Amino acid sequence: EVQLVQSGAEMKEPGESLKISCKGSGHSFTTYWIGWVRQMPGKGLEWMGIIYPGDSDTKYSPSFQGQVTISADKSINTAYLQWSSLKASDTAMYYCARSEMATMGYFDYWGQGTLVTVSS
Amino acid sequence: NFMLTQPHSVSESPGKTATISCTRSNGSIASSYVQWYQQRPGSSPTTVIYEDNQRPSGVPDRFSGSIDSSSNSASLTISGLKTEDEADYYCQSYDSTTRVFGGGTKLTVL
Repeated sequence: EVQLVQSGAEMKEPGESLKISCKGSGHSFTTYWIGWVRQMPGKGLEWMGIIYPGDSDTKYSPSFQGQVTISADKSINTAYLQWSSLKASDTAMYYCARSEMATMGYFDYWGQGTLVTVSS
Repeated sequence: NFMLTQPHSVSESPGKTATISCTRSNGSIASSYVQWYQQRPGSSPTTVIYEDNQRPSGVPDRFSGSIDSSSNSASLTISGLKTEDEADYYCQSYDSTTRVFGGGTKLTVL
């Protein structure tokens, strides 16, 4: 069974750093792309970027380029989304999702989401 | 880049048919596949339609997708509405470098 299991909810203060994770199982982690999607409170879905764990090829939405870093460790079937300096506006639910292709293709499996709350 | 515009909300009665539109701002709707995701409250999204009109296994055939080049839009149609279909629905497409989601439509079944 394909699963994407995300790390737990985080509460951080503005200016802090954060790295959340998405661990895949039940499929060949290095032959699928893993994307990240933001959902701010009460709002819609926003595509942030995507990584191919096989060779770490990464593509970012222009809206998120330079704001976050997407990485992966194929040895432990895990993808990451990180911030170097959080802002209150980063408060959101973040989902990882699997796709066969970088921009084409659909997200066939989704993680359960990681809630990130940034507040002083 | 382009945008995908959806109606904010759609309401329909159980047993009836609901249609949700998704209009592409520039570029042809037919140039890239459109997917549709369902998100129930408190849950992760799931795919109900991919590649314009394909249903993943397990999605009932009450769900169908289409595109209309004349209006440059895609549509998700749900027939025989059930209360369990009440959810947010998002269309999504792409160009050569990015994926784009529509703003989402809240479907109310009452």
